[in-house]
Amino acid sequence: DTAVSQTPKYLVTQMGNDKSIKCEQNLGHDTMYWYKQDSKKFLKIMFSYNNKELIINETVPNRFSPKSPDKAHLNLHINSLELGDSAVYFCASSQRAGESEAFFGQGTRLTVV
Amino acid sequence: GEDVEQSLFLSVREGDSSVINCTYTDSSSTYLYWYKQEPGAGLQLLTYIFSNMDMKQDQRLTVLLNKKDKHLSLRIADTQTGDSAIYFCAESAGNTPLVFGKGTRLSVIA
Repeated sequence: DTAVSQTPKYLVTQMGNDKSIKCEQNLGHDTMYWYKQDSKKFLKIMFSYNNKELIINETVPNRFSPKSPDKAHLNLHINSLELGDSAVYFCASSQRAGESEAFFGQGTRLTVV
Repeated sequence: GEDVEQSLFLSVREGDSSVINCTYTDSSSTYLYWYKQEPGAGLQLLTYIFSNMDMKQDQRLTVLLNKKDKHLSLRIADTQTGDSAIYFCAESAGNTPLVFGKGTRLSVIA
């Protein structure tokens, strides 16, 4: 009965590969997010989707492409992975954009070697 | 743009109170949050406060908000070793995503 689940939990891959991280929420929330947490634990918003539509797109390389097939899912696809992409990526959801607390997934630790 | 600042480290003895401070710049902040991140784990919402409140208490946790100074604090009474974690302050102006501080690493000494 996990509220926000993301897979995989760990991902180790080589530079230049393409990978995806999946996220699903069963809370019936309208808004989903991707956050990146770097090695210094700094958390930054990357994308925000509301009812499958992109509403926030921070300064993120074009190699990152979010996809929302329905409002319960927000997947993150990364092309041509670079060493600097190594981080923990958190998916989150909230009832509405910023109006109530966000529930976070457990994170996906991506390591690019 | 919005900015949220908090000190990076705090060390307290078990049984003492911990106070983690946070300042923010966005005067239109509507919600202010405290999240806890334990080692290797995701973010857990601890508590939040609306901007029209100045205090909220929940068991060992007390949140104080000084809206005039844009200052938020989290007090943990009777701090335990299990409270050791990184605590993130975050704010939202309503229809915007959360803006996080850099996190305060709380170390509890037995």
